[in-house]
Amino acid sequence: KAGVTQTPRYLIKTRGQQVTLSCSPISGHRSVSWYQQTPGQGLQFLFEYFSETQRNKGNFPGRFSGRQFSNSRSEMNVSTLELGDSALYLCASSFSDPGRETQYFGPGTRLLVL
Amino acid sequence: QKEVEQDPGPLSVPEGAIVSLNCTYSNSAFQYFMWYRQYSRKGPELLMYTYSSGNKEDGRFTAQVDKSSKYISLFIRDSQPSDSATYLCAMSWDGSSNTGKLIFGQGTTLQVKP
Repeated sequence: KAGVTQTPRYLIKTRGQQVTLSCSPISGHRSVSWYQQTPGQGLQFLFEYFSETQRNKGNFPGRFSGRQFSNSRSEMNVSTLELGDSALYLCASSFSDPGRETQYFGPGTRLLVL
Repeated sequence: QKEVEQDPGPLSVPEGAIVSLNCTYSNSAFQYFMWYRQYSRKGPELLMYTYSSGNKEDGRFTAQVDKSSKYISLFIRDSQPSDSATYLCAMSWDGSSNTGKLIFGQGTTLQVKP
């Protein structure tokens, strides 16, 4: 069974630009969560989607948004990039209830904002 | 004060040693406790998953949860150089406000020397 895939793996952008990251969950998984990982703050929850609906959102500004498609693939978008957005962005998938079930993480997209 | 506290280390041990990794938390609502291992430039992978208090063993790994003390531990027996990685504790609880959200510790970097 293929694991969680994320594209692109690496990205370099400049301040003020926007970026879209993609996540394909494990086949059959309907829940996708996104996390930001930085050396200073660790792993922080961004949002979670299930059946194309956002069920939960973390404490991030509105510049961070996401969506999920009918095939459970998910994208997250960051607009008006800031230097502090440089991080590893991880997505994780689970069957339906990521709090009770195993969440499987992808390799992440490493974003560098210059 | 962070909801989950984890000593970032680094922790360096000789091969064959018993390793003890710990997290403390403040939210008594946490019910699900996980340990993830993250190698450099990879996404986290689930090692152990425990519901409520108690012990769980899987090969060389043992997870302990003490809800009365708000303290969880991961023990690694006969540590190997391949165990060198960052170990992250994570927690969650039931509730509509928490769907899809894991709260992570900062991570402990472990190095096992041959």
